[in-house]
Amino acid sequence: DIQLTQSPSSLSASVGDRVTITCRASQGISNSLHWIQQKPGKAPKSLMYGASILQSGVPSKFSGSGSGTDFTLTISSLQPEDFATYYCLQYKSYPRTFGQGTKLEIK
Amino acid sequence: EVQLVESGGGLVQPGGSLRLSCEASGFTFSSYWMDWVRQAPGKGLEWVANINQDGSEKYYVDSVKGRFTISRDNGKNSLYLQMNSLTAEDSAVYYCTRQLDFWGQGTLVTVSS
Repeated sequence: DIQLTQSPSSLSASVGDRVTITCRASQGISNSLHWIQQKPGKAPKSLMYGASILQSGVPSKFSGSGSGTDFTLTISSLQPEDFATYYCLQYKSYPRTFGQGTKLEIK
Repeated sequence: EVQLVESGGGLVQPGGSLRLSCEASGFTFSSYWMDWVRQAPGKGLEWVANINQDGSEKYYVDSVKGRFTISRDNGKNSLYLQMNSLTAEDSAVYYCTRQLDFWGQGTLVTVSS
């Protein structure tokens, strides 16, 4: 199985900050990666697929990059609604696997 | 508007069975792979299974192989997950997703005596 390791596991930031979350795969997955956002008590939501392609309706403050084994999610100009848990998810091979999550909290 | 509505969750005893359903609307259901993903209380996300457009291909995480069966009825725009031999480790919110792009609100399964 492909393991995805996210860092950091938790992150404290202020409104207006720019933050970056990384996801490292245990083997190459090309660009077969989703970034998923989950707010407390809510269903997950895919922000982007193909490592960098925004889902419809997702603001451009979210950006993704990477290919192979190393990926990043960057969120610019943090707003209160952005504080959530973020997961990476690979769909290159079975079983699909998730990173352990990064909890983004307000400082 | 894309909608995925799960149902069928509830409290079941260890060793019991449950069938989850997911009713889809707002898109051409028969054109998409569909997945089930679960989340145990306070834990991360775990992919469970998926099925291709005509139901001829199915994949499962090892921990549910032989116990869970994913299926679909394109005429009813519905996805199903038959869960047998349930254990406490299967307790989770189960999400139906359209190809991991769009997610339903989930249905809670609790396995307890």
